[in-house]
Amino acid sequence: QKEVEQDPGPLSVPEGAIVSLNCTYSNSAFQYFMWYRQYSRKGPELLMYTYSSGNKEDGRFTAQVDKSSKYISLFIRDSQPSDSATYLCAMSVGGYQKVTFGTGTKLQVIP
Amino acid sequence: GAVVSQHPSRVICKSGTSVKIECRSLDFQATTMFWYRQFPKKSLMLMATSNEGSKATYEQGVEKDKFLINHASLTLSTLTVTSAHPEDSSFYICSARENGQGLGQPQHFGDGTRLSIL
Repeated sequence: QKEVEQDPGPLSVPEGAIVSLNCTYSNSAFQYFMWYRQYSRKGPELLMYTYSSGNKEDGRFTAQVDKSSKYISLFIRDSQPSDSATYLCAMSVGGYQKVTFGTGTKLQVIP
Repeated sequence: GAVVSQHPSRVICKSGTSVKIECRSLDFQATTMFWYRQFPKKSLMLMATSNEGSKATYEQGVEKDKFLINHASLTLSTLTVTSAHPEDSSFYICSARENGQGLGQPQHFGDGTRLSIL
């Protein structure tokens, strides 16, 4: 079993839809959770960085962590064609320790 | 803020050539930088952790004599792929963790280097 599981997609949604991206993990010691966005032929760009459980909101993006279920989510409101990219979840035990990445979910927002 | 510059973005060279890739943190200091390899439709695979002023820590299965890492300053790490062969063709990405305190700092990534060995 992989430490971090993420559905590769692709996920296609119409413009303006609410998008839900998810990851599950098996290591209960993970405390730090991140979401990155990666456009084709580019490096990952940090979207959200959270510690422990709960929600964090930044503009159209909301990150949610449920440690009891070992489940994290990223919600994108009012999705735009420019949101079309691959979204990677990532997590680590300590804030300065090795990060484990999901395989990424490819999202396509259709105008 | 937190910009990481990686150079070159694309390299095409003959088998047996050594290739050097640079990773710079432009607006912050980074004691620790990381080198990843990414295969199509696969997750980022950590190759090594680069620490300023000391030897890099390589992940299991990564040949340290093949992938030479130097982290001579708080803003620059280099990866040299020595005597590259076609199987070394891949997308190499570096990241840097901003020095800081408290609950930890996330990694910021460069735009990657696409290496093609003919």
